[in-house]
Amino acid sequence: AQRVTQPEKLLSVFKGAPVELKCNYSYSGSPELFWYVQYSRQRLQLLLRHISRESIKGFTADLNKGETSFHLKKPFAQEEDSAMYYCALSGLGAGSYQLTFGKGTKLSVIP
Amino acid sequence: KAGVTQTPRYLIKTRGQQVTLSCSPISGHRSVSWYQQTPGQGLQFLFEYFSETQRNKGNFPGRFSGRQFSNSRSEMNVSTLELGDSALYLCASSMGTGQGANEAFFGQGTRLTVV
Repeated sequence: AQRVTQPEKLLSVFKGAPVELKCNYSYSGSPELFWYVQYSRQRLQLLLRHISRESIKGFTADLNKGETSFHLKKPFAQEEDSAMYYCALSGLGAGSYQLTFGKGTKLSVIP
Repeated sequence: KAGVTQTPRYLIKTRGQQVTLSCSPISGHRSVSWYQQTPGQGLQFLFEYFSETQRNKGNFPGRFSGRQFSNSRSEMNVSTLELGDSALYLCASSMGTGQGANEAFFGQGTRLTVV
């Protein structure tokens, strides 16, 4: 069974401080990992996928297969980063067309 | 290009009734997935359709069903509604094949309230 764990329901940081949103997963095959973000009154939108190895809005995430983690990081938090963040997992390859989501972490950036 | 569109945005139904929700995917996307979002359980996968065929199904009772049309639009049906079915139902579309197979784009959801 596949499972995604986000241990923090709420994370509060000061503007300019580093941010790390934790995500651990359980999956028996080769996973594809994503971070989704939901700003207030907006739809859920894709922030990052591990395959593309991009940096979006200053956020990065590295897949650590040994620790089965995919933590989201940003060196300097901005007020506009305040949102709900969801880590999600899918299997690579045929037959894996579903996303398993963590329960989400609410990031609050204090001005 | 236009995003994923879900209709209606809000619904109030009575226990025992049935309901149909609609989703129009992004043009060119052949896969449509449905998710249920509740405060207690979070986002849970219902099912996924690709080229009018159900490819994946989550762990929900048979009262939850769906279908996909030849233009990739999808509908989800819930029969014999229960109070616990009150939730935000999200639709997501993706290419469904190739490199972007699982890169899902979400609609704004349909808020279903069962009274």
